[in-house]
Amino acid sequence: SQTIHQWPATLVQPVGSPLSLECTVEGTSNPNLYWYRQAAGRGLQLLFYSVGIGQISSEVPQNLSASRPQDRQFILSSKKLLLSDSGFYLCAWSVLERTDTQYFGPGTRLTVL
Amino acid sequence: AQKVTQAQTEISVVEKEDVTLDCVYETRDTTYYLFWYKQPPSGELVFLIRRNSFDEQNEISGRYSWNFQKSTSSFNFTITASQVVDSAVYFCALSVDGQNFVFGPGTRLSVLP
Repeated sequence: SQTIHQWPATLVQPVGSPLSLECTVEGTSNPNLYWYRQAAGRGLQLLFYSVGIGQISSEVPQNLSASRPQDRQFILSSKKLLLSDSGFYLCAWSVLERTDTQYFGPGTRLTVL
Repeated sequence: AQKVTQAQTEISVVEKEDVTLDCVYETRDTTYYLFWYKQPPSGELVFLIRRNSFDEQNEISGRYSWNFQKSTSSFNFTITASQVVDSAVYFCALSVDGQNFVFGPGTRLSVLP
């Protein structure tokens, strides 16, 4: 069966510090991968999605970036965090043949102080 | 552009009551997919159901049922005989291409014992 992992589970970082969140998927090959952010009390916002290694599409301009160095690894980064980057970050995957259904990881709660 | 509205921000019911969560969507595309996700206190999103725009049959899965009506652009979710474990935030989502998901703001359901 497929599983998706995210770490860290929680993170507290000062403004201006760098960020690296990691997401890995097991049990499937060549998945589509997604990063979402959920701000407090709000819905989910798609940040990035990737259909393959090195292929990243950005939905919202911001100070975040994403990379996909391996088939089942998706990384969300920032060089300098802003207060507005606080939120709950969710990684999701879908199979190439059924991109209409996404499965989510446990999430990372980021607090920027 | 697509939009999903969940007018109910919070709902509280007593255990064993039935509860309906409303979802209204907007899209100009004739082909699209609708979803419901559950987000328990642990934070991860749990996939509940996917419906495509060509299938208006209502669906029942145990205590869960979904009413899809294209005429009113609604995809409502009913929980019958609610239980405390149903307490969560529920998100309705829409996708027209299977890659980009638009989520509603969510409805927080509290089921009281």
